[in-house]
Amino acid sequence: ETGVTQSPTHLIKTRGQQVTLRCSSQSGHNTVSWYQQALGQGPQFIFQYYREEENGRGNFPPRFSGLQFPNYSSELNVNALELDDSALYLCASSRTGTDGYTFGSGTRLTVV
Amino acid sequence: GESVGLHLPTLSVQEGDNSIINCAYSNSASDYFIWYKQESGKGPQFIIDIRSNMDKRQGQRVTVLLNKTVKHLSLQIAATQPGDSAVYFCAEKISGANNLFFGTGTRLTVIP
Repeated sequence: ETGVTQSPTHLIKTRGQQVTLRCSSQSGHNTVSWYQQALGQGPQFIFQYYREEENGRGNFPPRFSGLQFPNYSSELNVNALELDDSALYLCASSRTGTDGYTFGSGTRLTVV
Repeated sequence: GESVGLHLPTLSVQEGDNSIINCAYSNSASDYFIWYKQESGKGPQFIIDIRSNMDKRQGQRVTVLLNKTVKHLSLQIAATQPGDSAVYFCAEKISGANNLFFGTGTRLTVIP
């Protein structure tokens, strides 16, 4: 059974640019959630995808968007990057009807 | 968002001693709680969970206690080992919601 994999592991972008982060869910999981973890803080929920549609969203602006593909993998897109977007972005997969969440190791995004 | 907080941001214990990490939550509608361990450069790793219809659950060297009256959660680690050094987060899930709310975390340092 493979776990959650995220790519890339590290990324440096310039303010105003756009970025795409990728996540492959754990085998058997059909739901993907994205979290933002600023340095020294707990993860904050961005949104969740199920059946290729957004299924719940946290307090993040529309420039944070996502996709889910038929194989349940997912992308997180962030437009017009700001310095405060620098964080660890975590993907968590789960299976509908269960409460188990498996996290990936994250993508460390630095905006300069 | 909901408030999930930790009483102590740092905790240092001697190797072999027991560790207790505390967490307060604010939403009485939360029905599922998880403790995660996060090592540097990695994503949160599941330790143990508990549902609101229970007040205690034990795993291997770990015990979670839930006091719904005062909205308090604790993680007890027996015979703490150097490999237990990490940041520990409690997370809560509100009934019917599809995301987790995390606290800030407690950094546990095990002194050899």
